[in-house]
Amino acid sequence: GQQVMQIPQYQHVQEGEDFTTYCNSSTTLSNIQWYKQRPGGHPVFLIQLVKSGEVKKQKRLTFQFGEAKKNSSLHITATQTTDVGTYFCLHSSNTGKLIFGQGTTLQVKP
Amino acid sequence: DGGITQSPKYLFRKEGQNVTLSCEQNLNHDAMYWYRQDPGQGLRLIYYSQIVNDFQKGDIAEGYSVSREKKESFPLTVTSAQKNPTAFYLCASSIDLGAGNYGYTFGSGTRLTVV
Repeated sequence: GQQVMQIPQYQHVQEGEDFTTYCNSSTTLSNIQWYKQRPGGHPVFLIQLVKSGEVKKQKRLTFQFGEAKKNSSLHITATQTTDVGTYFCLHSSNTGKLIFGQGTTLQVKP
Repeated sequence: DGGITQSPKYLFRKEGQNVTLSCEQNLNHDAMYWYRQDPGQGLRLIYYSQIVNDFQKGDIAEGYSVSREKKESFPLTVTSAQKNPTAFYLCASSIDLGAGNYGYTFGSGTRLTVV
């Protein structure tokens, strides 16, 4: 079935360094959503991308959707300790089927 | 404030017991979902409901049951048939199945442990 692969699984960075997580699909995706889950918390919606080549920014976070709509990335510039958590992508179909990436857990060393 | 509430936060179950996890939302969302989260495995869909009195099995529905008698409520029962129920359970809701630009709203979760 349709899958979304997310890498890396874990990332440790020094505070101030950049961070990127990638989601890749073998098939075209109609949309991709990104969520952040703090340790011990629940996922919180960040953004949805639907257009080919779309780029959206939220402060230090930059989200991209590939031209072929088969991949997406989340880039954090100059990480802070508040960025710690698990970031995961999700593809949502209008039939209720949700396909999650496995998540990337980010650790930031002060 | 609108939101989605799960209770209890922690739940301990003895072998052979059924337990019910509560999920209530006041967001006027049509669609509701139950997920299970295990370490290193991400989120897996148990059941979802698009509308009152209707629900569909997700990827791992065996050993679980749900009901959707009211728009606001989507309780999940973990039955004794579920072989490995210890996990973190998350309830979510969305405006409709597609979620649109608003995404899915998640509850704070219930951590179920079998003792």
